[in-house]
Amino acid sequence: EPEVTQTPSHQVTQMGQEVILRCVPISNHLYFYWYRQILGQKVEFLVSFYNNEISEKSEIFDDQFSVERPDGSNFTLKIRSTKLEDSAMYFCASALRSGDTGELFFGEGSRLTVL
Amino acid sequence: AQSVAQPEDQVNVAEGNPLTVKCTYSVSGNPYLFWYVQYPNRGLQFLLKYITGDNLVKGSYGFEAEFNKSQTSFHLKKPSALVSDSALYFCAVRDDTGRRALTFGSGTRLQVQP
Repeated sequence: EPEVTQTPSHQVTQMGQEVILRCVPISNHLYFYWYRQILGQKVEFLVSFYNNEISEKSEIFDDQFSVERPDGSNFTLKIRSTKLEDSAMYFCASALRSGDTGELFFGEGSRLTVL
Repeated sequence: AQSVAQPEDQVNVAEGNPLTVKCTYSVSGNPYLFWYVQYPNRGLQFLLKYITGDNLVKGSYGFEAEFNKSQTSFHLKKPSALVSDSALYFCAVRDDTGRRALTFGSGTRLQVQP
């Protein structure tokens, strides 16, 4: 069964450092998402991406965050200068159709710990 | 604005008994409603959705959910719980106006005791 894969599974970084989280969505999917889950809290939407551009972003997704799909398979989330409050589990998701009617397929997550 | 409330942090049920996990929502337009399940150290998995049509929707693993427009609820149900159903369950919503991305609830941990 096709799946969304994410790397790394866990990254520890110092505050102020840049972090890149990588995702390989399901190959024929067209819509891509990043969500995050701070420990014990709700899953929060960060950004959606379609047709090589951001289609929607939340208030969390400020100038420190960026996404790109550099090679048609990987989908990356970059945090330019990490803060302590960026510590969370980051989930990538993809969908064949727009996520409002089609189901999202989530990866297993990348745990980011900022010290 | 859209929001989801899952009033119970945890639900405990004995194996073989029926289970209900509650969800209420708030949207501006018509709701699209979803349930996802998260097992330990795994990503969220889709269970079922309500877009339009019958108020009772059936999904994976014997789960079903009932859309109730007057009560703005979308409770998840299963007639007979299994120990393997123990997991974290998330309700999610979006409407046909405003933000298109899903808004998730805070999650309800289901514990099924043998």
